[in-house]
Amino acid sequence: RKEVEQDPGPFNVPEGATVAFNCTYSNSASQSFFWYRQDCRKEPKLLMSVYSSGNEDGRFTAQLNRASQYISLLIRDSKLSDSATYLCVVKGYGNKLVFGAGTILRVKS
Amino acid sequence: DAGITQSPRYKITETGRQVTLMCHQTWSHSYMFWYRQDLGHGLRLIYYSAAADITDKGEVPDGYVVSRSKTENFPLTLESATRSQTSVYFCATTSGRLSSYNEQFFGPGTRLTVL
Repeated sequence: RKEVEQDPGPFNVPEGATVAFNCTYSNSASQSFFWYRQDCRKEPKLLMSVYSSGNEDGRFTAQLNRASQYISLLIRDSKLSDSATYLCVVKGYGNKLVFGAGTILRVKS
Repeated sequence: DAGITQSPRYKITETGRQVTLMCHQTWSHSYMFWYRQDLGHGLRLIYYSAAADITDKGEVPDGYVVSRSKTENFPLTLESATRSQTSVYFCATTSGRLSSYNEQFFGPGTRLTVL
């Protein structure tokens, strides 16, 4: 079993739609959680950290459920520019990150 | 002002050859990492370094060697390249401050093809 699992998608949604991604992790000792965004043939970049109480950044909302060991990302009012791969990332010991394989989002006009 | 750079950006080599991928950062971050990214696997950690002269293995270290004589450089060497090492390689850094939410910053990647 992979340490971080995501639905690979692709999720094909129209502009303006709301879309949600889920991610599960297996290591209950994981300390912190992130969503990274990766555009085609580019490097990953931090989208947002995920805090225990849940957090929001504009159209993006991230939630963490430690009991069930899953993380979610909600994108409201999808834009064409949101098309990318979204990586669920878990941090364990030290500064090492464990990445999910990513969920592909395609927003269509 | 470059932050983190990788060279070369593209490399084609043959099986058995030695290849070195370079990573350079201008932030004086303590931690540096090497990942490989393959379809269906996401990013997997090869090696990392907490400081100059301190390195440690990640998830997939076999066939790779690293060194870190200076804080700003973290080269990755494939001692005898194999086709299974065809991948996109990303270098990353983080400051190592005492925070659970330190962001990792990635270089632009090196696309390596082993024939």
